[in-house]
Amino acid sequence: NAGVTQTPKFRVLKTGQSMTLLCAQDMNHEYMYWYRQDPGMGLRLIHYSVGEGTTAKGEVPDGYNVSRLKKQNFLLGLESAAPSQTSVYFCASSSVDTEAFFGQGTRLTVV
Amino acid sequence: DQQVKQNSPSLSVQEGRISILNCDYTNSMFDYFLWYKKYPAEGPTFLISISSIKDKNEDGRFTVFLNKSAKHLSLHIVPSQPGDSAVYFCAAYSGGGADGLTFGKGTHLIIQP
Repeated sequence: NAGVTQTPKFRVLKTGQSMTLLCAQDMNHEYMYWYRQDPGMGLRLIHYSVGEGTTAKGEVPDGYNVSRLKKQNFLLGLESAAPSQTSVYFCASSSVDTEAFFGQGTRLTVV
Repeated sequence: DQQVKQNSPSLSVQEGRISILNCDYTNSMFDYFLWYKKYPAEGPTFLISISSIKDKNEDGRFTVFLNKSAKHLSLHIVPSQPGDSAVYFCAAYSGGGADGLTFGKGTHLIIQP
């Protein structure tokens, strides 16, 4: 029973490099989310999706892009990484009648 | 402007006693509130929730109280156990929650033996 799976778990990037974080859920949830957690800041919403083929901006979307080509997958892209994007990234999924389930997180360091 | 506030970054409680974690909110549109628990190097896990039409919800050792007029909720854990040591996040949403949760900054609960 995997739930929400994030790939990779750790990554170090150089400033200006690009990468994609993958989130996969096996609960047939309609809604998917990307959050970032920084020390003393709680979790902040980057982008979200309410269904396959749809995406929307959250609280801190700048510097990130997302895609939801399949219902079970939600991709977060960094086109040109910056040190300010050093953070722990969490993906979550939910449906209209369930709470949000979170992945185990991706620790990203941009040097 | 923080819409969900947890003003205590940390709380230390003796094992067996009651732990009370507090949360305040400013957005009157919030109609559902949740508590998540997070261990280091893991994702947050759902603990308990409450709808704005209720003032109390209980699940085993965990009880959440909601005071809408004060825009305040609290999580009570009794008795506190060593495994309860974690960071607790208060979260809220409005209108079904499809557009995501708004989180507080978290409270680190430490249960002392």
